[in-house]
Amino acid sequence: KQEVTQIPAALSVPEGENLVLNCSFTDSAIYNLQWFRQDPGKGLTSLLLIQSSQREQTSGRLNASLDKSSGRSTLYIAASQPGDSATYLCAITGANSKLTFGKGITLSVRP
Amino acid sequence: GAVVSQHPSWVICKSGTSVKIECRSLDFQATTMFWYRQFPKQSLMLMATSNEGSKATYEQGVEKDKFLINHASLTLSTLTVTSAHPEDSSFYICSARDRRRGTDTQYFGPGTRLTVL
Repeated sequence: KQEVTQIPAALSVPEGENLVLNCSFTDSAIYNLQWFRQDPGKGLTSLLLIQSSQREQTSGRLNASLDKSSGRSTLYIAASQPGDSATYLCAITGANSKLTFGKGITLSVRP
Repeated sequence: GAVVSQHPSWVICKSGTSVKIECRSLDFQATTMFWYRQFPKQSLMLMATSNEGSKATYEQGVEKDKFLINHASLTLSTLTVTSAHPEDSSFYICSARDRRRGTDTQYFGPGTRLTVL
């Protein structure tokens, strides 16, 4: 059974700092990995999707990497802004096409 | 494109009543929709997979008679929480897979906050 872990559960940084959010998973037989953003009381916004054959994806100030062999992914946020404050969820699509989510990392960017 | 809506966005009900939540794909056809539940500070947990025109497939531990799912068309799936109790209070999120894209990308709705008194 796939397990997805995101540590720490919360992170607070000053504005402008570059930061890395970590995600680890136990089963390397994945179809893809996604990073989502969730604002309080809201649904999910897909940020980046990495197919199992890819190593990384970039969108603006965001860069996500995938290392299947070690069961790890990172989300890099450059020049963080207060508007980046949210919960970031990592999710794995397995061979059964089902998504397994981590608990998320709640990011607070201080002005 | 690929917008998914949910209705209502929030609902408060008395214990013992039933609540229906709708999930619609607005600009695409979805042969498969998924229902998730999220408790505070927890990850999204898949409850069931809903396929158009057939019975839903429930995850282990999810009571199919309590959480009734209907996927009558390619753009609409409904989740009915029957005889709701306070422990059913949660954030319910649906997602839909776009059949045209031929990928496993799921598009998520904005969620429905259910509070059972």
